[in-house]
Amino acid sequence: DAKTTQPPSMDCAEGRAANLPCNHSTISGNEYVYWYRQIHSQGPQYIIHGLKNNETNEMASLIITEDRKSSTLILPHATLRDTAVYYCIVRHIYNQGGKLIFGQGTELSVKP
Amino acid sequence: DTEVTQTPKHLVMGMTNKKSLKCEQHMGHRAMYWYKQKAKKPPELMFVYSYEKLSINESVPSRFSPECPNSSLLNLHLHALQPEDSALYLCASSQTFNEKLFFGSGTQLSVL
Repeated sequence: DAKTTQPPSMDCAEGRAANLPCNHSTISGNEYVYWYRQIHSQGPQYIIHGLKNNETNEMASLIITEDRKSSTLILPHATLRDTAVYYCIVRHIYNQGGKLIFGQGTELSVKP
Repeated sequence: DTEVTQTPKHLVMGMTNKKSLKCEQHMGHRAMYWYKQKAKKPPELMFVYSYEKLSINESVPSRFSPECPNSSLLNLHLHALQPEDSALYLCASSQTFNEKLFFGSGTQLSVL
């Protein structure tokens, strides 16, 4: 699976949009982009995933660039409860046996 | 029921003890996972089970022994652990190994 690069930390003001970038320049056409987050003392939680098109659900939006080499996770109105480590993961469409490999992630701090 | 339940939440054991971690899900998922997470680090994949058969072992030492007695239950048997094995042990499940993962809250293990 392709490697991802994320900034180690970011701050966001409560009520503002949080935009978390991820680079995956070696991604192949058969690889999804997944986002998970891990709130302190909890297990990771699935947020969203996409292949080529932008995606939106009740938690977030995922914007994938046309060349698919990078993506941005958008939390439209961040709250204090969104403070967490956010992981961007590239995963093969056929998943090669079940591996989901976490990178270092971005620690997002939402401040009042 | 969209929960993965892990017991116990906390465990302290000596290096000569034998203990087991338990993970249960009732979502009908056929893939189950064990991850290990050290403080301030991302989760590391240990084992993957698919349809109750071990499909991935990420070169985990034999003092960790997984078991999947049925499609709802996953155990991790621990024997002769070292202090460096102290970590948060996370269980996860997915519909199949191509789908999104649901994580439990983990067992915080301390080896003395």
